[in-house]
Amino acid sequence: AQSVSQHNHHVILSEAASLELGCNYSYGGTVNLFWYVQYPGQHLQLLLKYFSGDPLVKGIKGFEAEFIKSKFSFNLRKPSVQWSDTAEYFCALYTGKLIFGQGTTLQVKP
Amino acid sequence: DGGITQSPKYLFRKEGQNVTLSCEQNLNHDAMYWYRQDPGQGLRLIYYSQIVNDFQKGDIAEGYSVSREKKESFPLTVTSAQKNPTAFYLCASSIAGGAGNQPQHFGDGTRLSIL
Repeated sequence: AQSVSQHNHHVILSEAASLELGCNYSYGGTVNLFWYVQYPGQHLQLLLKYFSGDPLVKGIKGFEAEFIKSKFSFNLRKPSVQWSDTAEYFCALYTGKLIFGQGTTLQVKP
Repeated sequence: DGGITQSPKYLFRKEGQNVTLSCEQNLNHDAMYWYRQDPGQGLRLIYYSQIVNDFQKGDIAEGYSVSREKKESFPLTVTSAQKNPTAFYLCASSIAGGAGNQPQHFGDGTRLSIL
């Protein structure tokens, strides 16, 4: 079955802490992976995407994600979070349609 | 500015009533999508359309209907058959529905509640 799983549902960090949000997928075809972010009161927007090539993908606002094929993972990272990173984060897999994970709410305390 | 416009922002439905959510895009995108967002469940695909006059059911199509008469418009009707319609509804579009490397652009959403 095709699925995306995000393990952390709610993460609370202090500013300057490092962030890693987990994302695992189940799919046997060509992997196209995305991370989307939804800031409070705003629409969902693309953070970064992976299609092929370098498994370390850099996105906007200092975020990056690493595709590890052997672990079926696409974890999102940021070395030092800011209060403005408070948002909900979604991992998604394209299989002919987008399949989203359950989402992770990140709260950054100033 | 190009983008996706969803209206209304908030919508209330009475029992037994059908309501229609509007989604318009001026991005010249071929593909359009409707998702339902519930807390702790992420986004689930209701219907999608890759081209005008064609659409397919997503994972949770029961109780919903759509039309795609124009490229720019993809309205969603929540029928009385949808027993749990209270949710946040998101419309999205992308350049080509069959190409996995085309990210989707999202609207601001419509929050539907039952009176």
